[in-house]
Amino acid sequence: DTGVSQDPRHKITKRGQNVTFRCDPISEHNRLYWYRQTLGQGPEFLTYFQNEAQLEKSRLLSDRFSAERPKGSFSTLEIQRTEQGDSAMYLCASLRLAGDLHRTDTQYFGPGTRLTVL
Amino acid sequence: EDKVVQSPLSLVVHEGDTVTLNCSYEVTNFRSLLWYKQEKKAPTFLFMLTSSGIEKKSGRLSSILDKKELSSILNITATQTGDSAIYLCAVVGAGKSTFGDGTTLTVKP
Repeated sequence: DTGVSQDPRHKITKRGQNVTFRCDPISEHNRLYWYRQTLGQGPEFLTYFQNEAQLEKSRLLSDRFSAERPKGSFSTLEIQRTEQGDSAMYLCASLRLAGDLHRTDTQYFGPGTRLTVL
Repeated sequence: EDKVVQSPLSLVVHEGDTVTLNCSYEVTNFRSLLWYKQEKKAPTFLFMLTSSGIEKKSGRLSSILDKKELSSILNITATQTGDSAIYLCAVVGAGKSTFGDGTTLTVKP
C-alpha cells in the first residue's frame, strides 16, 4: 500500500454513459497526476495538478475528459459519453516535488481503476 | 514533446543471470528520472535519480544516470523468478512525468 487510494477499483459501463473516478493522494504530496495505461504500453500522461491548479492537460485528451482537484486534496476524473476505446487502467500518482533538487522527488501510484466500456 | 525510449522491449534470462535495462530520454527542464517495477498491478517505485554518475542501490538492483548521454541503466544481478515484471522508466520535467513503454523481463528457473 503506497498511501494513494483510488475508487472504484473496477468499473464496467455501457458506451455513452458517464463515469467518475476518485483519487486520494498522500496528504503531503503537492502534485497529482492522472495516467491511462493499456496493455503493452507504459502509462500515458493525461493531466496533472499542483495543489488545486490544473497545470497541464495532454493534447491527446478529448473534451470528454475532465479532471478536478478541489481544495488541493482529492481529485476526480470524469469521462463523459464513454467509448469502447476508453477501456483502460486509469492510474493516479502523487508526487512530493522537492523544492531543492538535491532532495528526492518521490512519486507513488494508486492501485488504479480498471474501466471496461461495453 | 518529451520522449522516453526503453530497450530492449523484452528480455528472457535464466535465474542467476545479470541484466541491464536501458532508458534514454529527451525532456524539457529535466528534474529527475524514476524507475518502476510493474507486475499485474500499478507500478511500484524503485529509484529516483537526479545526479549523473551517482549509483543508487537496493539489494540486487542498481541504477545510474548519465545526463550527458541523456540515459540511465537499471542493473539486476543474480536474477530470480520474482524479478519477472515490466520495468518502467519515467522522466520528470518541469511539468508532467513521461513514461517509456517498459522492458518486459522474464526470468526462467
